[in-house]
Amino acid sequence: GQQVMQIPQYQHVQEGEDFTTYCNSSTTLSNIQWYKQRPGGHPVFLIQLVKSGEVKKQKRLTFQFGEAKKNSSLHITATQTTDVGTYFCAADNTGGFKTIFGAGTRLFVKA
Amino acid sequence: EAQVTQNPRYLITVTGKKLTVTCSQNMNHEYMSWYRQDPGLGLRQIYYSMNVEVTDKGDVPEGYKVSRKEKRNFPLILESPSPNQTSLYFCASSLDWAAAEQYFGPGTRLTVT
Repeated sequence: GQQVMQIPQYQHVQEGEDFTTYCNSSTTLSNIQWYKQRPGGHPVFLIQLVKSGEVKKQKRLTFQFGEAKKNSSLHITATQTTDVGTYFCAADNTGGFKTIFGAGTRLFVKA
Repeated sequence: EAQVTQNPRYLITVTGKKLTVTCSQNMNHEYMSWYRQDPGLGLRQIYYSMNVEVTDKGDVPEGYKVSRKEKRNFPLILESPSPNQTSLYFCASSLDWAAAEQYFGPGTRLTVT
């Protein structure tokens, strides 16, 4: 079935360093969503990208959708301890009504 | 307050004892979904519902049932739980299938011994 691969699985950074997580698909995606889950919490929607080559920013977070709509990235500039958690990408299943999530990248930030 | 609620939040049960996890949303959302979360595997969709009386299988439906008799409720039923169904379960809803944002419930931690 359709899969969305997400890397890395874990990332440890020093506060102030940058962080990037990547999602890749072997098939063209109609859109991609990003979610954040704080430790012990539930996933919370961050953003959706739809257009080829789209770039969106939310303060220190930059989201990109690849030109071929097969990959996406989330970049955090100058991480803070409040950024800790797991970041998931998700995509609508092509031709269906399901949602496919990546395995997530867990971010640890050391103060 | 707009929210998705799940009950119970924690449950420890034994193999074979039927259980139901309830999910309710107060946002008049059409699309509802159940996910399980396991370490290293992310969120995997169990079942989803496009609207009342319309449900369909996700990627991991084996061992689970759902129903959607009312728009606000979407219970998850485990007829005969097994240890491999030990997991963290999330219910989610969105305005409709095309809506970008899914709202997640707080999660239900299930342990089957």
